[in-house]
Amino acid sequence: EIVLTQSPATLSLSPGERATLSCRASQSVSSYLAWYQQKPGQAPRLLIYDASNRATGIPARFSGSGSGTDFTLTISSLEPGDFAVYYCQQRSNWPPVTFGQGTRLEIK
Amino acid sequence: EMQLLESGGGLVQPGGSLRLSCAASGFTFSSYAMSWVRQAPGKGLEWVSAISHSGDSTYYPDSVKGRFTISRDSSKNTLYLQMNSLRAEDTAVYYCATDPGGLLLDHWGQGTLVTVSS
Repeated sequence: EIVLTQSPATLSLSPGERATLSCRASQSVSSYLAWYQQKPGQAPRLLIYDASNRATGIPARFSGSGSGTDFTLTISSLEPGDFAVYYCQQRSNWPPVTFGQGTRLEIK
Repeated sequence: EMQLLESGGGLVQPGGSLRLSCAASGFTFSSYAMSWVRQAPGKGLEWVSAISHSGDSTYYPDSVKGRFTISRDSSKNTLYLQMNSLRAEDTAVYYCATDPGGLLLDHWGQGTLVTVSS
């Protein structure tokens, strides 16, 4: 089973700042890495797939990069609605599909 | 607009059974693989099952294998999750999600809460 480790666990930033979230895989997942956003009381929403492709309707301020074992989600300029929990997910080697433990992005 | 609506959650005793449903609308259900993902209270996401678009192939993690069964009825545009031998650690919100291919979960329902407790 591939283990995904996200860092930091919590990130405290202000609106307008740049956010950089990390996801590291225990073995290579090629580019089969996705990012999801989850707000309180809501279902997760797909943001990025295959490491760097934005899902339909996702603003350009969200970008993903990386391959192999190290991946980054960047939010270029935080808006109030971006404060949420972010999960990475690998679909390179399944079953099982695995998720990271999440990074909580909170308002500073 | 793609819509997924889960139902069937509730309170069940340890060792009991429950069947969840996920009603799909706004897209060609039979063209999509589907998955169930759960989230224990205050915890992260855990994938619990997947089914191919035809229903011929199903997949499970070890944590639920032999206890949970995923199925689909394309005539009713509905996905199911039969859960048997439930344990306290199965307590979670259960989400269904569409999969255009290779376990990419691109649309999610709002979830249904399952509580396993005596």
